[in-house]
Amino acid sequence: DQQVKQNSPSLSVQEGRISILNCDYTNSMFDYFLWYKKYPAEGPTFLISISSIKDKNEDGRFTVFLNKSAKHLSLHIVPSQPGDSAVYFCAASAQSNTGKLIFGQGTTLQVKP
Amino acid sequence: EAGVAQSPRYKIIEKRQSVAFWCNPISGHATLYWYQQILGQGPKLLIQFQNNGVVDDSQLPKDRFSAERLKGVDSTLKIQPAKLEDSAVYLCASSLVGSGTKTQYFGPGTRLLVL
Repeated sequence: DQQVKQNSPSLSVQEGRISILNCDYTNSMFDYFLWYKKYPAEGPTFLISISSIKDKNEDGRFTVFLNKSAKHLSLHIVPSQPGDSAVYFCAASAQSNTGKLIFGQGTTLQVKP
Repeated sequence: EAGVAQSPRYKIIEKRQSVAFWCNPISGHATLYWYQQILGQGPKLLIQFQNNGVVDDSQLPKDRFSAERLKGVDSTLKIQPAKLEDSAVYLCASSLVGSGTKTQYFGPGTRLLVL
């Protein structure tokens, strides 16, 4: 039972364009969502998060959108840069469940110069 | 501020052998997590500590995996005996208690290969 799904294993975009990474979840108890970025041979690095009381959170080039009715969130990167090439993981947690994170499978983003 | 430290970075063992991984969380972080990440999948929580107590070990294969955090700071994860399917990256993460954000900070991981 995969509660957090990233249905696109990979995404390729041109430098300077927008990258949109998607994530779907099934558990309506999730109230906090995070995006992590992972480079090869390194641990995941926290990127941006959003609480379920919001529908948008922005940090520089990164914006996360949350659509609770659709149980869907997305990460927008504008403009995309070659250094953004990495694996991106969506994760979710529920306040009532010790706060443990449930991760999606990840999406590999390649930004071409 | 120093990040989460893990050692070793790489380990190759034969099946049925034992192995241990070490983690030192960010200073002041009371909550510590061990994750298993199999190739092509997202990290899966194995065990969560709050100080030196276990909060969640529901997905820890207790017949072969064990973990401890005796003094509420660093932690050790052990596998005995190892199986081929234990080949994965073992990630340690930590977070502040009561931060409300649940943001976890990860170490570089230990890549385990069981032959």
